[in-house]
Amino acid sequence: EAGVAQSPRYKIIEKRQSVAFWCNPISGHATLYWYQQILGQGPKLLIQFQNNGVVDDSQLPKDRFSAERLKGVDSTLKIQPAKLEDSAVYLCASSLEPGTGELFFGEGSRLTVL
Amino acid sequence: AQSVAQPEDQVNVAEGNPLTVKCTYSVSGNPYLFWYVQYPNRGLQFLLKYITGDNLVKGSYGFEAEFNKSQTSFHLKKPSALVSDSALYFCAVRDPPGGGNKLTFGTGTQLKVEL
Repeated sequence: EAGVAQSPRYKIIEKRQSVAFWCNPISGHATLYWYQQILGQGPKLLIQFQNNGVVDDSQLPKDRFSAERLKGVDSTLKIQPAKLEDSAVYLCASSLEPGTGELFFGEGSRLTVL
Repeated sequence: AQSVAQPEDQVNVAEGNPLTVKCTYSVSGNPYLFWYVQYPNRGLQFLLKYITGDNLVKGSYGFEAEFNKSQTSFHLKKPSALVSDSALYFCAVRDPPGGGNKLTFGTGTQLKVEL
């Protein structure tokens, strides 16, 4: 079974530039999550999708972050403009059902903002 | 708000010795607790969970966790540590039913198992 795919694995940009991350969840998983993991901290949920609808985006900085999940499969997370404090690993995860708490994570996309 | 705390940034243990990684929780209502592991340059992997039932939960790779309601703890344990267990371990708590099912993670504990 293929896992959660993410790209790019690494990205270095300057502040005020934009960046986009892509995620392909495990086939058949209706729930998709984007987490932000800052060095030394636990992952923090940015947004949760159920199919192509948003379930929770309460911790997404909407002035600069956006995410979409067109057709309920792949998802893209965008940051524009980036700030220094956005340097983190962006983790995508999926689950078969939203209530189990058993998430399957991708390897993450490491962003460095200079 | 639901939260978990991992009081130790790092735990060192010799191979073959038992290991414990500590986690305490703060929830309203019944707790839904999880352990995840993160190997270097890899995504997080689910280890085990406690929802209801037996206080001793068994999971992947020989790990188990003990739920203690009176101490509000959910410590991760393994009887005999392996060098390959060296990784970053996260405790997490899930929102109660109807609360969105969000997982809130602790800050993580780095486990180092040495020969």
